[in-house]
Amino acid sequence: NAGVTQTPKFQVLKTGQSMTLQCAQDMNHNSMYWYRQDPGMGLRLIYYSASEGTTDKGEVPNGYNVSRLNKREFSLRLESAAPSQTSVYFCASRGLAPLGETQYFGPGTRLLVL
Amino acid sequence: EDKVVQSPLSLVVHEGDTVTLNCSYEVTNFRSLLWYKQEKKAPTFLFMLTSSGIEKKSGRLSSILDKKELFSILNITATQTGDSAIYLCAPNSGGSNYKLTFGKGTLLTVNP
Repeated sequence: NAGVTQTPKFQVLKTGQSMTLQCAQDMNHNSMYWYRQDPGMGLRLIYYSASEGTTDKGEVPNGYNVSRLNKREFSLRLESAAPSQTSVYFCASRGLAPLGETQYFGPGTRLLVL
Repeated sequence: EDKVVQSPLSLVVHEGDTVTLNCSYEVTNFRSLLWYKQEKKAPTFLFMLTSSGIEKKSGRLSSILDKKELFSILNITATQTGDSAIYLCAPNSGGSNYKLTFGKGTLLTVNP
């Protein structure tokens, strides 16, 4: 199992450009999440999808859209990137681990908006 | 608004020391509290706590939850340089929707 995968690993955008961050999981999990992590800020929830066909806003949804394409894939789109969106983006899916239910995280996408 | 406060924000110790990391929270629809370790990549899961007073243990790491006083602690005994990381606390505040609210983390540095 690959777990949670994300592409790209790193991206540089100019202000106003658009892009889509891709996320896929092969663990047959229903729920998936997008977070951003900024220095000294912990992880903040952008959007989540409790199941295929549903999406909901998290703490910081402005400037983003999401698509739950199928059970495996959950993408995050920046329609018009801004420097404030420079961050590390993590995708996660929710499932059971030996020590309890958790979210499994992908390796992250580092985004720089100039 | 849900609130999670971790302390200290950073900590420097020597190998072999014991450390205690703190997490206090105020969240609605509390169901559980999770601890993660983050090195230079994605967070990795350590523990999930649901009941007060029951210690969870994994090797040199242990954690306990107090639902009355709304806090949790993570203990690491006989620290090693490989324990250097950011430790994140995250109560599950979404009820049946299962949403995690993360604290800012504690940066632990273990020197040889």
